[in-house]
Amino acid sequence: AQSVAQPEDQVNVAEGNPLTVKCTYSVSGNPYLFWYVQYPNRGLQFLLKYITGDNLVKGSYGFEAEFNKSQTSFHLKKPSALVSDSALYFCAVRLLTGTASKLTFGTGTRLQVTL
Amino acid sequence: NAGVTQTPKFRVLKTGQSMTLLCAQDMNHEYMYWYRQDPGMGLRLIHYSVGEGTTAKGEVPDGYNVSRLKKQNFLLGLESAAPSQTSVYFCASSSRDRGFQETQYFGPGTRLLVL
Repeated sequence: AQSVAQPEDQVNVAEGNPLTVKCTYSVSGNPYLFWYVQYPNRGLQFLLKYITGDNLVKGSYGFEAEFNKSQTSFHLKKPSALVSDSALYFCAVRLLTGTASKLTFGTGTRLQVTL
Repeated sequence: NAGVTQTPKFRVLKTGQSMTLLCAQDMNHEYMYWYRQDPGMGLRLIHYSVGEGTTAKGEVPDGYNVSRLKKQNFLLGLESAAPSQTSVYFCASSSRDRGFQETQYFGPGTRLLVL
């Protein structure tokens, strides 16, 4: 079965410090991986995705993610956190069956950035 | 463009009542999805559609029905609501054009409370 795991329920970071939100995956074959962010009382917003090519993927709002095939990880990173980055972050993997882009989501990691 | 919109934003039902959640998208997307979000469980796919007139079951379809009579609309129905269906419901859509690479775009969510 294909799945993603987000081992941390919450990550706390001081503003200006680098942040990492962890994600590991389990899929058969080549993975298609996504990061989404959810602000309070809002729907999910797409941040970035890995399909193929360069292992370092750059996305919206200064976020980037590093695909590591040997460690089956796709950690989300940002060099300098902002208080406005505080939100719920979801990692997702594309299911490789069927025609539609069925995504399996992790349980989410709450990022709290403080002054 | 409004993107993906959902109606209503919030609803309270009594056990056994029925209701329909409406999702509309103006991006001419072929694929549409209904998810539910519960604390600590991430998003789970209820039903999805790969085109007008077609629907398919997702991960947690029991107790729900869907219809896609028009390309831009995807309806989620609860015939006899149960307290276990208390959740936040998200609709999403994506384009078929880029195959596995397509990004899903989410609506703002419908918060449903079943008493």
